[in-house]
Amino acid sequence: GAVVSQHPSWVICKSGTSVKIECRSLDFQATTMFWYRQFPKQSLMLMATSNEGSKATYEQGVEKDKFLINHASLTLSTLTVTSAHPEDSSFYICSAAGQRNEKLFFGSGTQLSVL
Amino acid sequence: RKEVEQDPGPFNVPEGATVAFNCTYSNSASQSFFWYRQDCRKEPKLLMSVYSSGNEDGRFTAQLNRASQYISLLIRDSKLSDSATYLCVVNRSLPGIFGTGTRLQVFP
Repeated sequence: GAVVSQHPSWVICKSGTSVKIECRSLDFQATTMFWYRQFPKQSLMLMATSNEGSKATYEQGVEKDKFLINHASLTLSTLTVTSAHPEDSSFYICSAAGQRNEKLFFGSGTQLSVL
Repeated sequence: RKEVEQDPGPFNVPEGATVAFNCTYSNSASQSFFWYRQDCRKEPKLLMSVYSSGNEDGRFTAQLNRASQYISLLIRDSKLSDSATYLCVVNRSLPGIFGTGTRLQVFP
């Protein structure tokens, strides 16, 4: 099946720093990728839809200036958490649609801890 | 009312038991349905698609009831390794909507 690679797996950073998370589709081209956030014992919450070559579409309540998304190629999307604060500590996961545009394939997730 | 709802559980069952989860959805235009399994601090992994005719994969059976707008997942002969959170996903278009998940804990 399709493989989506996400890095890093874990990040610990100081408050005020920025963190970049990468999501790559390894064996297929993903024109659309999705970014989620998941707090402990809660479900995945869609943050934004990342479209190759265009601006991301953000869900209501997600600050686009804080969560910068870049999807410069068909195989790479990045999420940058700018000026991270402790309340941004969460599990961030990306996903991409398979070539039949039906199922989602997920990256392995990034656990962000902001001190 | 949430568009996709699941009982959060936890469902605590002994090894060998049969357990079933339901997931209700409110939008009748929903077109595709899936069950995912998620372990703690891991990504969701596709368990199975759900078809109108129902489908079975080993100990797992998924069914769709369009009239009542729910999908179900049945796990037979539960194993310790089945302990996880089971998420349903309902699609009209990508990325679909995730349920909050049902936590299953299988004990010896």
